[in-house]
Amino acid sequence: AQSVAQPEDQVNVAEGNPLTVKCTYSVSGNPYLFWYVQYPNRGLQFLLKYITGDNLVKGSYGFEAEFNKSQTSFHLKKPSALVSDSALYFCAVRVSAGNNRKLIWGLGTSLAVNP
Amino acid sequence: DGGITQSPKYLFRKEGQNVTLSCEQNLNHDAMYWYRQDPGQGLRLIYYSQIVNDFQKGDIAEGYSVSREKKESFPLTVTSAQKNPTAFYLCASSGDLAGGTPSTDTQYFGPGTRLTVL
Repeated sequence: AQSVAQPEDQVNVAEGNPLTVKCTYSVSGNPYLFWYVQYPNRGLQFLLKYITGDNLVKGSYGFEAEFNKSQTSFHLKKPSALVSDSALYFCAVRVSAGNNRKLIWGLGTSLAVNP
Repeated sequence: DGGITQSPKYLFRKEGQNVTLSCEQNLNHDAMYWYRQDPGQGLRLIYYSQIVNDFQKGDIAEGYSVSREKKESFPLTVTSAQKNPTAFYLCASSGDLAGGTPSTDTQYFGPGTRLTVL
């Protein structure tokens, strides 16, 4: 079955330290992978995506993600966390059946950056 | 100013009532989506539409209905058959890139509607 897993419900990190939010996937074929961020009572904002090419993808707000095909992972990273990065983060993968395409979503990881 | 709008921001429904949530986009996207978000359950797909006058059920379509008469609009009706409608509802759209490059299905979201049953 095609799926996305975010193994950590919550991640805590001190401001200025590097952060990692983990995502693993199971999908047939070449994956299209996405990261989004959600602030309280807001819609999701697109951060970055992997389609093909370089395994290290750079996105908005200083975030990057590393695609690892052998480990079927797409972890989100940032070298130096900010308090304002505290939010809910979602990983997603595109699946397709014929002409119908949609994203399937992880359950989200709550990131808390402590001052 | 391009984007996706949802209205209203807050909506209250009495039991037995149908309510309709609005979603409009001016991004010229072909595809539109409705999700429901509950605490700890992530995003669950209700309905999606990849072209005007066509739509497909998602994972939790029971108790909901949609229409797609115009490219820019994808309203969601929460019917009285939906027994637990209190949730945060998110609309999204995706489409081809500039110059006709096929879509990578990056979805762009509206600000959401919070529905509460009284």
